[in-house]
Amino acid sequence: NAGVMQNPRHLVRRRGQEARLRCSPMKGHSHVYWYRQLPEEGLKFMVYLQKENIIDESGMPKERFSAEFPKEGPSILRIQQVVRGDSAAYFCASSPRTGLSSGANVLTFGAGSRLTVL
Amino acid sequence: TQLLEQSPQFLSIQEGENLTVYCNSSSVFSSLQWYRQEPGEGPVLLVTVVTGGEVKKLKRLTFQFGDARKDSSLHITAAQPGDTGLYLCAGARSNAGNNRKLIWGLGTSLAVNP
Repeated sequence: NAGVMQNPRHLVRRRGQEARLRCSPMKGHSHVYWYRQLPEEGLKFMVYLQKENIIDESGMPKERFSAEFPKEGPSILRIQQVVRGDSAAYFCASSPRTGLSSGANVLTFGAGSRLTVL
Repeated sequence: TQLLEQSPQFLSIQEGENLTVYCNSSSVFSSLQWYRQEPGEGPVLLVTVVTGGEVKKLKRLTFQFGDARKDSSLHITAAQPGDTGLYLCAGARSNAGNNRKLIWGLGTSLAVNP
């Protein structure tokens, strides 16, 4: 049973280009979360999605960033017109449910996608 | 303002030594999770503590949740190079909340030298 799969693991883009990061959740998980990690900031929540629905995008910048989780296929985090400040590790996590009241709701993280903007 | 303060920020020790890292807050949490993140990988959940004063053991790792549920500690006995990584704590304000409301510390970066 594969865990959370993210690709690409490393992505280099020049300023102004687009970055697309993909995440396939664990089998049986229908909830996907995207986080951004910088050493000086730690893990920051960006967006929470269920199949075909964005539930909470409060942590995602209003401009240039978008996310989707289609009925078929992986979840995608899209960053348009990248800037140097977008350089970071982007992690996807999945869970069967959203609450924290049982062990079934723990987050399983992928290995991350490391974006470098030149 | 970092709501969860982790200390020390960096720790480098020799194999076989014992160590304790801390996760402190002025806020009360309904539960607290500890993760280990190895270089180039994502965080992996180690334990969740829920009850004030709770102690959980995972082999050589001992986790404690403070009585007031504002702080937690992780003690590692006889550290091994395989323990190297970033130890993250994450707190939940409410059991009725959800994973996206977790508050994350910046982590303690541990290096265990052979």
